[in-house]
Amino acid sequence: NAGVTQTPKFQVLKTGQSMTLQCAQDMNHNSMYWYRQDPGMGLRLIYYSASEGTTDKGEVPNGYNVSRLNKREFSLRLESAAPSQTSVYFCASSERRGTGELFFGEGSRLTVL
Amino acid sequence: QKEVEQDPGPLSVPEGAIVSLNCTYSNSAFQYFMWYRQYSRKGPELLMYTYSSGNKEDGRFTAQVDKSSKYISLFIRDSQPSDSATYLCAMNPQGGSEKLVFGKGTKLTVNP
Repeated sequence: NAGVTQTPKFQVLKTGQSMTLQCAQDMNHNSMYWYRQDPGMGLRLIYYSASEGTTDKGEVPNGYNVSRLNKREFSLRLESAAPSQTSVYFCASSERRGTGELFFGEGSRLTVL
Repeated sequence: QKEVEQDPGPLSVPEGAIVSLNCTYSNSAFQYFMWYRQYSRKGPELLMYTYSSGNKEDGRFTAQVDKSSKYISLFIRDSQPSDSATYLCAMNPQGGSEKLVFGKGTKLTVNP
């Protein structure tokens, strides 16, 4: 049972470089989410997709773009990375909207120099 | 005032102790209350889920919600070293998991 799979697990970028974090879930969930987790800040929602074909901004969307490629896959793109985007990124999915029962991936650790 | 307040700890207890973890909140619209457990360098996993007020028990874990006091608790009985993790409270009004608000987490260490 893979659940939610994120790639890559680790990445080091230089300021201004771009990259895409990939996420795939095999639970047939409708909703998918991207969070970042920073020390002292907790988990903050970047973008979410309530269903295939829709995406919406969360609490901290600036500097990011997302694509809901199909029901399984939800990618997060950093167009021009900044040191402030150094963080651990988590993808999550849920079956039922409105309850908060999320299934998380193992995270992608990104360092921007 | 932050929407959800959680003491970051760290909390260190001996094996077998009863652990009490707590969160307070300010938004009376919250209806769903959750506890997530996060092991070091892993993603959070849902541990307990409660709708509205009351208690819920699952093995050694008990979740309590007191909406009148805007206070939720997680109790761990007979704590084990494998319970060492960061515990995140989370809560949600009705209408969408995108509105989920997390506490910052309490780091727990259970010493053998």
